[in-house]
Amino acid sequence: QKEVEQDPGPLSVPEGAIVSLNCTYSNSAFQYFMWYRQYSRKGPELLMYTYSSGNKEDGRFTAQVDKSSKYISLFIRDSQPSDSATYLCAMQTSYGQNFVFGPGTRLSVLP
Amino acid sequence: DVKVTQSSRYLVKRTGEKVFLECVQDMDHENMFWYRQDPGLGLRLIYFSYDVKMKEKGDIPEGYSVSREKKERFSLILESASTNQTSMYLCASTRDTNTGELFFGEGSRLTVL
Repeated sequence: QKEVEQDPGPLSVPEGAIVSLNCTYSNSAFQYFMWYRQYSRKGPELLMYTYSSGNKEDGRFTAQVDKSSKYISLFIRDSQPSDSATYLCAMQTSYGQNFVFGPGTRLSVLP
Repeated sequence: DVKVTQSSRYLVKRTGEKVFLECVQDMDHENMFWYRQDPGLGLRLIYFSYDVKMKEKGDIPEGYSVSREKKERFSLILESASTNQTSMYLCASTRDTNTGELFFGEGSRLTVL
């Protein structure tokens, strides 16, 4: 079993839709949870960062962490064509320097 | 504007060649990383460095080495390139590994024939 699992997609939605992206993980020591966005032919950039369980909202983006289920989600409201990208979840333990990434979900938002 | 610059965006090399991938950051970050990105596998850590001349193996160091002679520069070396090293290579840096924010370069796509 991979340490972090993520549906690779591709996921296609119409403009304005609510998008739900998810990752599951197996290592209960993960404490820091991140979502990165990667546009085609670019490096990933940090989108959301949360520590431990709970929700965090930033504009149209909401990140949720459920440590009891080892499940994290990213919600995008009112999706735009400019949201079309690959979304990578990433996790980190409280003592490690390494970031463990999911394989990424490719999202297309159609105008 | 913070920046991580990877010197080569696209490279084509032959099996057995020595390959150098260079990465420079202008943010005075202590920590630098080399990842490779393959479809379905995500980003896998090759090596990281938390200080000048310091290096730690990541998850897949075999066939690679690194050099960090100056704080701003982290080089990835493939001593003898093989076809299974065809991949996208991403360099990243961060000041504090507990902030979650890695700054990535735009990547170097290496093809080994």
